[in-house]
Amino acid sequence: ETGVTQTPRHLVMGMTNKKSLKCEQHLGHNAMYWYKQSAKKPLELMFVYSLEERVENNSVPSRFSPECPNSSHLFLHLHTLQPEDSALYLCASSQERTGSEQFFGPGTRLTVL
Amino acid sequence: GENVEQHPSTLSVQEGDSAVIKCTYSDSASNYFPWYKQELGKGPQLIIDIRSNVGEKKDQRIAVTLNKTAKHFSLHITETQPEDSAVYFCASILTGGGNKLTFGTGTQLKVEL
Repeated sequence: ETGVTQTPRHLVMGMTNKKSLKCEQHLGHNAMYWYKQSAKKPLELMFVYSLEERVENNSVPSRFSPECPNSSHLFLHLHTLQPEDSALYLCASSQERTGSEQFFGPGTRLTVL
Repeated sequence: GENVEQHPSTLSVQEGDSAVIKCTYSDSASNYFPWYKQELGKGPQLIIDIRSNVGEKKDQRIAVTLNKTAKHFSLHITETQPEDSAVYFCASILTGGGNKLTFGTGTQLKVEL
């Protein structure tokens, strides 16, 4: 266990659905990240939160909406997704926003029909 | 921005043999290089890292070497075991600033009995 949990582990949704992914870290870190992992591609950083403020948004479509209510929780709200959004979504946390020594959760396997 | 290339994409070795995975990076200012192991159904786990003031680091059967001049670093696994089978990712970052980890595309390592 890395101290980072994600729910749900698997999610199947239609293009018109609205769903949310949840991440929780028990490490006392103050930076949290969302990554997208697709086959044969490097991990793609989507969002970075530091001290509950969004500090980076890597040109992610607006159908992905992050929320960080406190330093231990991170959400990714999904709506009107496309089939190409199907991927493994990983949450990570680190002590500082330097990005080093990131600890990853197990991911949510998302399938968009 | 930083670009990380990783080779090979797949690697098959016999149990007990050594495995070597190589990465190159483009930003000479990068100073932290972690390696992650991702097993099926899990998120990436940090297994070893190296900072730019060190040329080599070893932890039991795994070691990492760094050549700053050539801008490449390698992961070495000796006496491979079936449980070493996984996808391995290299990454690089310039720590201390608002930078992000840049990941390689991953190497699928298979250790055959």
